Amino acid sequence: EVQLVESGGGLVQPGGSLRLSCAASGFTFSSHWMHWVRQVPGKGLVWVSRINSDGSTTTYPDSVEGRFTISRDNAKNTLHLQMNSLRVDDTAVYFCARGDPRPPSFYFDYWGRGTLVTVSS
Amino acid sequence: SYVLTQPSSVSAAPGQTARIPCGGNYIGTNSVHWYQQKPGQAPLLVVYDDSDRPSGIPERFSGSNSGNTATLTITRVEAGDEADYYCQVWDRSSDQYVFGTGTKVTVL
Repeated sequence: EVQLVESGGGLVQPGGSLRLSCAASGFTFSSHWMHWVRQVPGKGLVWVSRINSDGSTTTYPDSVEGRFTISRDNAKNTLHLQMNSLRVDDTAVYFCARGDPRPPSFYFDYWGRGTLVTVSS
Repeated sequence: SYVLTQPSSVSAAPGQTARIPCGGNYIGTNSVHWYQQKPGQAPLLVVYDDSDRPSGIPERFSGSNSGNTATLTITRVEAGDEADYYCQVWDRSSDQYVFGTGTKVTVL
């Protein structure tokens, strides 16, 4: 059974940093591109980052480019999201999601339950 | 950037059909994927590549895509289908992933 479990969320002040993790199991982690997607409570889904299967290529939307860094440890089946210079509008539930098997992954076939990040003074 | 537009809400009586449109410029040239999200839960993929269903998703869920509109159709609606539904595409021109604005489906 595919499982994705996020951790690392919490309360942080504006300008601060936070590192999210996603523990993957039940599939060959190193074969899949992986993503982070966020959702402001009560609002819609927004994609925030992608990493290819070996970790050599990353992609971001303009809203987080230069502030967020996605990475992975295939030996530990773990995905990370380093978030720096956090802003109030980064407050959201952050989901880890597995990309479909075809590069560059066109959709997200499994999702974690998410971890809440609150940016507030 | 590419924009996908959905109605904020759709309703249907049990046993009837709910249709959820997703509008985008020439969306018919993209592959469209659909997610169901119930309160407090992670999104669940219900249709991918316009009209394919993942294992375990009932045949009541189907999709179509042509021109400027993709549609998720739920036939024989059940109370358990109440949820938010999102369409999504990969925009090849920008290499970005775009979600629709989301539609709340209410079962009357």
